[in-house]
This record gives sequence, structure tokens and C-alpha cells, in this order.
Amino acid sequence: NAGVTQTPKFQVLKTGQSMTLQCAQDMNHEYMSWYRQDPGMGLRLIHYSVGAGITDQGEVPNGYNVSRSTTEDFPLRLLSAAPSQTSVYFCASSYAEPSGSHNTEAFFGQGTRLTVV
Amino acid sequence: GDSVTQMEGPVTLSEEAFLTINCTYTATGYPSLFWYVQYPGEGLQLLLKATKADDKGSNKGFEATYRKETTSFHLEKGSVQVSDSAVYFCALSDLSGYSTLTFGKGTMLLVSP
Repeated sequence: NAGVTQTPKFQVLKTGQSMTLQCAQDMNHEYMSWYRQDPGMGLRLIHYSVGAGITDQGEVPNGYNVSRSTTEDFPLRLLSAAPSQTSVYFCASSYAEPSGSHNTEAFFGQGTRLTVV
Repeated sequence: GDSVTQMEGPVTLSEEAFLTINCTYTATGYPSLFWYVQYPGEGLQLLLKATKADDKGSNKGFEATYRKETTSFHLEKGSVQVSDSAVYFCALSDLSGYSTLTFGKGTMLLVSP
């Protein structure tokens, strides 16, 4: 009954370092997405995927890369971390209704708190 | 583009008080509307949703009605508890069908005994 699992929960990086935030879901959901949460800003969409091999940019994609080689995993890569990327990152997944409707629930992971110094 | 505006917090209430958190939206067409709740140190959980005009979503004593004429989806609860203390996010799902969400900035609710 894991749902959406994110690792690590906390991370401190130095400016310029790279890292990958992991996200895995065990619900066989087609859709996965990454958001960042900043004080006073709500959650903003970084990248999303509608299935293995298919990804697209959200509202704030700069500085982040994603790939989706399997249905279960959707890692987020920071190639050269910057202090502006200090944030809490949430991964979410949802299923696709056959009708193509847009009202399915998104399931969120517990988040990764990233600090870039 | 789509946007969601919700009242700023924190909202501070005593236990058993009535709660309203206002939410209005701007979107093309008729999106689905959601309220998510985030308890301290946790991820977001769906609280309730509504998918078409005049729909009322409800869960755990919370309610919200999809008002197309006022583009609003206000969250209400008749009697709050200390355990309701959390951050509440209003969100809409765009018409792409991919379930990506546009969120409001969140409203912190603090309930005291």
C-alpha cells in the first residue's frame, strides 16, 4: 500500500552539484508529474508525463530534466543546482480515464525538501 | 492562462467555529475543481472535488459548490476541530485530460481548543 514514494526526504546540495530526485508509484498510473512548493507561491508544475517515453514541460521547467522509461518511475534531475531551486518537491500520479476526462484524483508523495547553498 | 486565487491566511479559529475559505478561478471552459489538504510534514491529500457546474463536493464535514456564474469554489465547514489545522489548497485541472493541476497559493488554518 505504498502509493507514491519519493526519495530522499531531505537533501542539501552545493551550488553547481547535480542530483536526481526519485519518484516511484505502485498504482500503475499512466500520468505522473513533478511540482515545486515555495512559500507564498502554492505548487507549480515543473514537468509531467502521460506515459512511458512521453514527457512535457510545465510552468517552471528550466533547470530540470525528466525521463520516463517505465510506468512506475519518474525521476527529476537537477543538472547544476542553484539556490533558486531551494524548495520542497512533490511528485504526483493519477490514472487516465478512458473517456479522457480531467477529473481524476492526483496522489502525492511525501515530498523532498531540497536546500541549495 | 489558468489561475486560482484563494484567500490569504493564516485563518485562526476556535474549535467549533464556522469555516469559509474563498477560492475563485480563471480558466478556459469548465475545468474540474479540487480542494487538497496538507497536514504538517506531509504531502497533499484530496479533500473533495467537483467536476461540473452546481456539483457539490463533500468529505469529512467539508463542502464546496462549483459556481460557474461566480467562478468560485469556496470551502466551508460548519464546526472545525483542532485536527483540521492544516494548509488548504484550491486547484483546477485543465482540459488537457492529463490531470495536471493549477494551484492557489494555499491557506493555512489554525484551530485552537
